[in-house]
Amino acid sequence: GEDVEQSLFLSVREGDSSVINCTYTDSSSTYLYWYKQEPGAGLQLLTYIFSNMDMKQDQRLTVLLNKKDKHLSLRIADTQTGDSAIYFCAEIVYSGNTPLVFGKGTRLSVIA
Amino acid sequence: EPEVTQTPSHQVTQMGQEVILRCVPISNHLYFYWYRQILGQKVEFLVSFYNNEISEKSEIFDDQFSVERPDGSNFTLKIRSTKLEDSAMYFCASTLNTNEKLFFGSGTQLSVL
Repeated sequence: GEDVEQSLFLSVREGDSSVINCTYTDSSSTYLYWYKQEPGAGLQLLTYIFSNMDMKQDQRLTVLLNKKDKHLSLRIADTQTGDSAIYFCAEIVYSGNTPLVFGKGTRLSVIA
Repeated sequence: EPEVTQTPSHQVTQMGQEVILRCVPISNHLYFYWYRQILGQKVEFLVSFYNNEISEKSEIFDDQFSVERPDGSNFTLKIRSTKLEDSAMYFCASTLNTNEKLFFGSGTQLSVL
């Protein structure tokens, strides 16, 4: 079945770039997503990339997709303390009502 | 921006009691979902709902769980007889089409004592 893997923790200094990595297994994934979860809050869609793209940039966020290696990354430029949260990678497969499959999440800690 | 709303934000219940978690999806959306996240674990799919019926469910979604869209706006998750291991954050989500992004609510934290 589908599986999404992420490293669990990342710690960066304020102002540095953060890179959160994710690998997925289903090569037929159509969309890949990054969600952010702040403490006690819900899942906020940060950005997503369609599977026929290699890169997507949205202000401080850059998503890179390597379909051959089934590797997705999220780069946050100029990381701020407000970026501290758990970041979830998720994949969806275009197939009826197939659900979104999430990774375990990467906890990003930003040190001032 | 339209949003998915969930109520209550926190629910505490005794083991064996029934709970109903409520969600109001985005008004023109057609597909509805429940996910849950046990503390420290993955966000897990429970069930998807379309055209007034369950379209897919996970093995977590056993006979103790049910979903309903009682009117044109609400989407509910009922747990008939709660167990300690049902304690989790429950997220509702909706989307217009299955290959588009899901919009999530802020979740209901369920604590079973």
